[in-house]
Amino acid sequence: DTGVSQNPRHKITKRGQNVTFRCDPISEHNRLYWYRQTLGQGPEFLTYFQNEAQLEKSRLLSDRFSAERPKGSFSTLEIQRTEQGDSAMYLCASSMRGSNEKLFFGSGTQLSVL
Amino acid sequence: QKEVEQNSGPLSVPEGAIASLNCTYSDRGSQSFFWYRQYSGKSPELIMFIYSNGDKEDGRFTAQLNKASQYVSLLIRDSQPSDSATYLCAAINTGTASKLTFGTGTRLQVTL
Repeated sequence: DTGVSQNPRHKITKRGQNVTFRCDPISEHNRLYWYRQTLGQGPEFLTYFQNEAQLEKSRLLSDRFSAERPKGSFSTLEIQRTEQGDSAMYLCASSMRGSNEKLFFGSGTQLSVL
Repeated sequence: QKEVEQNSGPLSVPEGAIASLNCTYSDRGSQSFFWYRQYSGKSPELIMFIYSNGDKEDGRFTAQLNKASQYVSLLIRDSQPSDSATYLCAAINTGTASKLTFGTGTRLQVTL
């Protein structure tokens, strides 16, 4: 069990640039979640997949954000035209459907938009 | 009103004491509740989960759930300096969503 893997660990970008993050879930987990966390706050839900289907997106999620999970394995989260307000820790988590929704988190990607 | 509410702290307890962390939730349909521990700069780590009213014990940790009062708590016995972290409470209503909703977390400081 290698756990949930996220890359990169840190990303510094200039405002207006596009960034893409990758998440590799625990291999037998069919659900994958993206959360965002800022300092002093709890993780905020962004979107989730069951296998390759994106089943829910937060109403707060801007059109600049898009996520994919091709073939139901790894997932990518892309942010287009980044803004300083996008600076946050982006957390990926996975779970197995029927496991009472126990989520296991990766180490996160810390995004800094200058 | 936030869906899951926690006192942000910090909660300071001496080493060896019992730390009591509290959480309330607004969605009466929530069925499952989780406690995550998060060290500074690290990701959340699941430490306890509870589905039924009452107490659930695991080592030094006890989770308590009272659905009538919409209240969840986490007790940490014999607190150690290594327990100093932020503790996040999360809830889920699988009837309406498949995502955990987190509180803002309570920062615990265990002093020597």
